[in-house]
Amino acid sequence: DGGITQSPKYLFRKEGQNVTLSCEQNLNHDAMYWYRQDPGQGLRLIYYSQIVNDFQKGDIAEGYSVSREKKESFPLTVTSAQKNPTAFYLCASNTAGGNYGYTFGSGTRLTVV
Amino acid sequence: GEDVEQSLFLSVREGDSSVINCTYTDSSSTYLYWYKQEPGAGLQLLTYIFSNMDMKQDQRLTVLLNKKDKHLSLRIADTQTGDSAIYFCAETPGSSASKIIFGSGTRLSIRP
Repeated sequence: DGGITQSPKYLFRKEGQNVTLSCEQNLNHDAMYWYRQDPGQGLRLIYYSQIVNDFQKGDIAEGYSVSREKKESFPLTVTSAQKNPTAFYLCASNTAGGNYGYTFGSGTRLTVV
Repeated sequence: GEDVEQSLFLSVREGDSSVINCTYTDSSSTYLYWYKQEPGAGLQLLTYIFSNMDMKQDQRLTVLLNKKDKHLSLRIADTQTGDSAIYFCAETPGSSASKIIFGSGTRLSIRP
């Protein structure tokens, strides 16, 4: 079945550590996105990529980094520079210029301990 | 600028209709969407409407678009306990076909 897989589902990070969240899709979608969701709030765009080897900052890119070496994969690294990383992270994809909405993964809940 | 607003909470009795409202600011929006998020899960696309349409119906779901007032609504007929979730309104702005702007979500709770 086609879809987006995020892993792990739950992730715990110590203060000062970098962690990487995985996002893989087999939908042959060109564009991929990372969102952050905090309780009671909407989705805020972190980074997006419309093509391999290219990506753009979203509204809250500080403290995060991404790569897009393969069409299928768009990993997100939460660096130690991100002061408040505890949140629910959602990855999404769609066809380039596609207007039929995003397909979302099931999310990764990151907690700083 | 581009902004999408929704009320945060809605409570309805089981079997009644639910109406979730949304307003947006971008008059050149091309597509508008409704997503559903169940606890601890990602977002699921429920339905979308192109900006030149007034209404779209899909089984228990009816979407109404008032482009003049920049108002979008989602009506769920015969609301069931399985409809408890957060519902997000979203739009594709005219300035960028590659991004979708999301509202803050409306939490729908069902009373017995």
